[in-house]
Amino acid sequence: AQKVTQAQTEISVVEKEDVTLDCVYETRDTTYYLFWYKQPPSGELVFLIRRNSFDEQNEISGRYSWNFQKSTSSFNFTITASQVVDSAVYFCALSELNRDDKIIFGKGTRLHILP
Amino acid sequence: NAGVTQTPKFQVLKTGQSMTLQCAQDMNHEYMSWYRQDPGMGLRLIHYSVGAGITDQGEVPNGYNVSRSTTEDFPLRLLSAAPSQTSVYFCASRARTGNQPQHFGDGTRLSIL
Repeated sequence: AQKVTQAQTEISVVEKEDVTLDCVYETRDTTYYLFWYKQPPSGELVFLIRRNSFDEQNEISGRYSWNFQKSTSSFNFTITASQVVDSAVYFCALSELNRDDKIIFGKGTRLHILP
Repeated sequence: NAGVTQTPKFQVLKTGQSMTLQCAQDMNHEYMSWYRQDPGMGLRLIHYSVGAGITDQGEVPNGYNVSRSTTEDFPLRLLSAAPSQTSVYFCASRARTGNQPQHFGDGTRLSIL
């Protein structure tokens, strides 16, 4: 069965600090997608990234970076120089390859960025 | 381009009432899905559809019905609402082909008293 574990329920950091959100997944599939979504206080879901399982290259997008390690089944998300606007709930998620209409979500990590 | 539109945004029901949550998308997406989000639980898949006339159950389908008579619409029905169905409901869609990720609606917040 597929499972996504976000062990950090809630994190608080002071603005400008770096913060890493952990994500560990379980799947029997050899090919799959991994995702990160952001849910700000307004409640909508904001897509951040989707990764194919066969592409282990780390990705950087501005202050955001993602570290995918198949050997440890982890897909961690780092925010560099955090800002108050980064305060949100962040979800890590998993799906079969090409089936991201059926996503398995982690329980989320609530991130507080303190001014 | 409206994307995925969910109506209503908020609804309060009494136990035992029926209700249909509407979801419409204008992107001609074949795949559509319904999720519910409960505090501390993340999102869980209720039902999904890979095209008009085809639906299937997700992780938590009990208490919900769906149908997909058109590509554009994927309504979620609660036949007899229960307090355990108090949740935020998200609809999503994606194209069958191509590399675009799933699009989510803004959610419907449903309270069952």
